[in-house]
Amino acid sequence: EPEVTQTPSHQVTQMGQEVILRCVPISNHLYFYWYRQILGQKVEFLVSFYNNEISEKSEIFDDQFSVERPDGSNFTLKIRSTKLEDSAMYFCASRVRNTEAFFGQGTRLTVV
Amino acid sequence: TQLLEQSPQFLSIQEGENLTVYCNSSSVFSSLQWYRQEPGEGPVLLVTVVTGGEVKKLKRLTFQFGDARKDSSLHITAAQPGDTGLYLCAGGKRDNQGGKLIFGQGTELSVKP
Repeated sequence: EPEVTQTPSHQVTQMGQEVILRCVPISNHLYFYWYRQILGQKVEFLVSFYNNEISEKSEIFDDQFSVERPDGSNFTLKIRSTKLEDSAMYFCASRVRNTEAFFGQGTRLTVV
Repeated sequence: TQLLEQSPQFLSIQEGENLTVYCNSSSVFSSLQWYRQEPGEGPVLLVTVVTGGEVKKLKRLTFQFGDARKDSSLHITAAQPGDTGLYLCAGGKRDNQGGKLIFGQGTELSVKP
């Protein structure tokens, strides 16, 4: 069964460093998303991406964040200069159109 | 601001009991999805409801979408320890960009043998 895959599963980084979280969405999907979940809190929307551009972003998604689809398969989230409060689980999701969104297993980002 | 309120936030019951989890909003959604999330893993889709008043069954789980498409419920019959986990509702809106999902805060269910 097709699935969304994310790498790495766990990333530890020093405060101020750049990190890139990678996702391979399901191949025929058109809409791509990043969400985050701080430990013990709700899943929060970060950004949606369609037709090679950002279609919507939340207040959390400030200038430190960027997304890219560098080729036909990968979808990446970059955090330019990580802060302690960026520590969270980051989930990638994809969907065909106005249908179910399927989530990856997540990347646990720990900023020290 | 679109909000989805889930209740209860925590639920601890004995094996064999029935339970209902509620997901409420003041906003209308074009679809509502229920996910289950295990610790350290991503949300796994259980069901999508799209029509007001729709009822879907998945074995011992019954999902209902409210007539006005503002609320939903998840009912579990004869709960088992394997049902333990975090249940999330998420509302979606139909738009040209595919629409983000708005998540509720989740219901942490613990079923004791």
